Amino acid sequence: NAGVTQTPKFRVLKTGQSMTLLCAQDMNHEYMYWYRQDPGMGLRLIHYSVGEGTTAKGEVPDGYNVSRLKKQNFLLGLESAAPSQTSVYFCASREGSSETQYFGPGTRLLVL
Amino acid sequence: AQSVAQPEDQVNVAEGNPLTVKCTYSVSGNPYLFWYVQYPNRGLQFLLKYITGDNLVKGSYGFEAEFNKSQTSFHLKKPSALVSDSALYFCAVRAYYGNNRLAFGKGNQVVVIP
Repeated sequence: NAGVTQTPKFRVLKTGQSMTLLCAQDMNHEYMYWYRQDPGMGLRLIHYSVGEGTTAKGEVPDGYNVSRLKKQNFLLGLESAAPSQTSVYFCASREGSSETQYFGPGTRLLVL
Repeated sequence: AQSVAQPEDQVNVAEGNPLTVKCTYSVSGNPYLFWYVQYPNRGLQFLLKYITGDNLVKGSYGFEAEFNKSQTSFHLKKPSALVSDSALYFCAVRAYYGNNRLAFGKGNQVVVIP
């Protein structure tokens, strides 16, 4: 039982490049979330999903897209990366009957 | 909209002394409240939560937190701090009736001095 895993762990992008971050969970959780963590700002919700095939915007969705084609995976896409998207990205999941979110180890993204 | 305030950037405490990390919240209606801890270069780990019931909640690693509705607070406490408790602590809140989203505070760095 690996819990929540994230790929890649670290990535450097040039401005304008695109990439996809992958989050996978093996706990059969219904809900999945993408956050970004910036110094002094805590965690801010980008997008989330309440089930396979559904997504919703969070607090800071601009510049990101997501997809939840399979229950266990939640993908975060950056179509045209900007330096302001330099951050640490965390994925989390939870089951429907519990409020506790389980976090992945994070992806550190640097946009030059 | 829900929000959390963690007023102190850093909390310094000597090993063996009591540790308190403060959190106040704002939410419509009854809250779900959480504490998470983050060790360097790691994801967040769940410590404890208040959903309903007893205002004093006990969690992992000897931590506890007290829900105070009149003061809209949910302070995290540990009677005797360890050096290994040095980490970043986040408080989070969600409205009981509302969206499925947590609002996190900015975090408090706890430094336990040997």
